[in-house]
Amino acid sequence: GQQVMQIPQYQHVQEGEDFTTYCNSSTTLSNIQWYKQRPGGHPVFLIQLVKSGEVKKQKRLTFQFGEAKKNSSLHITATQTTDVGTYFCGPGGYNKLIFGAGTRLAVHP
Amino acid sequence: GAVVSQHPSRVICKSGTSVKIECRSLDFQATTMFWYRQFPKQSLMLMATSNEGSKATYEQGVEKDKFLINHASLTLSTLTVTSAHPEDSSFYICSARGGQDRDFPRGNYGYTFGSGTRLTVV
Repeated sequence: GQQVMQIPQYQHVQEGEDFTTYCNSSTTLSNIQWYKQRPGGHPVFLIQLVKSGEVKKQKRLTFQFGEAKKNSSLHITATQTTDVGTYFCGPGGYNKLIFGAGTRLAVHP
Repeated sequence: GAVVSQHPSRVICKSGTSVKIECRSLDFQATTMFWYRQFPKQSLMLMATSNEGSKATYEQGVEKDKFLINHASLTLSTLTVTSAHPEDSSFYICSARGGQDRDFPRGNYGYTFGSGTRLTVV
């Protein structure tokens, strides 16, 4: 099945710094979904990207889908302590959702 | 929005016993539900896909006789961990996607997750 690689696995930032996580696939994806899981919590859907080169923004979060639909990124501007958690990406087919390994973000005040 | 309720949130059981975890879609019908397990600081691994009225589809390496899945109605799927052992201790979490587009606004086809069940086998 389709699998994605996420980098980095873990990142520390100081509050106010920017953060980016990348999601890479060896095959073309029909879509990519992003989720956030707070420590001790469950994944919460953030967004789905479908179109080649698509860019979507949610406040300080910017999501991008590569032109070849093999890569995606999530960029957080001016991180806050509320951004702490693990960010997962994965192709979200109607019949299955497979997660990447996730990027764990720690934000130091 | 779509809500998935999962119970229990925590369970401790003795080795050799069975544990049932329930996953309910509260405000939508879920023809398909998914069961994941997650070890500490690791990703969610898909165990099986639960289909209403038919047999579950298990991912490679998941023992179907150990992890029994029943999806008897459009709103309820259960996962039973049979003859539990300490290595089965994990965080189990279900998710569902609505069967109708009205449950998910156009362009927003995310899956909704339950709050998870932390199983500890002693």
